[in-house]
Amino acid sequence: SQQGEEDPQALSIQEGENATMNCSYKTSINNLQWYRQNSGRGLVHLILIRSNEREKHSGRLRVTLDTSKKSSSLLITASRAADTASYFCATNHQGGSEKLVFGKGTKLTVNP
Amino acid sequence: DVKVTQSSRYLVKRTGEKVFLECVQDMDHENMFWYRQDPGLGLRLIYFSYDVKMKEKGDIPEGYSVSREKKERFSLILESASTNQTSMYLCASRRTGGRSPLHFGNGTRLTVT
Repeated sequence: SQQGEEDPQALSIQEGENATMNCSYKTSINNLQWYRQNSGRGLVHLILIRSNEREKHSGRLRVTLDTSKKSSSLLITASRAADTASYFCATNHQGGSEKLVFGKGTKLTVNP
Repeated sequence: DVKVTQSSRYLVKRTGEKVFLECVQDMDHENMFWYRQDPGLGLRLIYFSYDVKMKEKGDIPEGYSVSREKKERFSLILESASTNQTSMYLCASRRTGGRSPLHFGNGTRLTVT
């Protein structure tokens, strides 16, 4: 079953603006990861946040996690046309096995 | 750099054919995964393997089987391909440990006619 659900499904912004994507999940997790997928390619890992962390930064990426609301957000600051891609959250359950469960993704378009 | 290689980028098969999708990783990862990706449905886990000859069903295993005879290779088998198995298939691997990221191949776009 799908664990993470991203919203919005699609987002279109201008270069230089910030992009925020959200992910909600249903059961307790060990950690949450965000991935990026360029059109027609495999996914690439961006960032991981552990269940005991609230915020994490990596370059222009900022991830927050609210375990009480079972939600996470990915913020991309000062977006570029090259950020155009689909973004997915993936969760690793507490007590689960090695598998990660993905959401349906947010398709981000950054217009030059 | 971890490399996950899927043998075919595009594949066209006929209904009823037996189809093999091959995946090889070069980083000695214990865990390997097969996902399928469909528009509006995201990634769904078909099967995964946590060791040689070991496998575990994912969310949608029906119509598929897998084989892991060597640590670096994980094969997905469509026993009798059907049109509803037309999809993008993504292989991934990761080291054991909840914080290890998944490393994906570039996918195989399978069309069953």
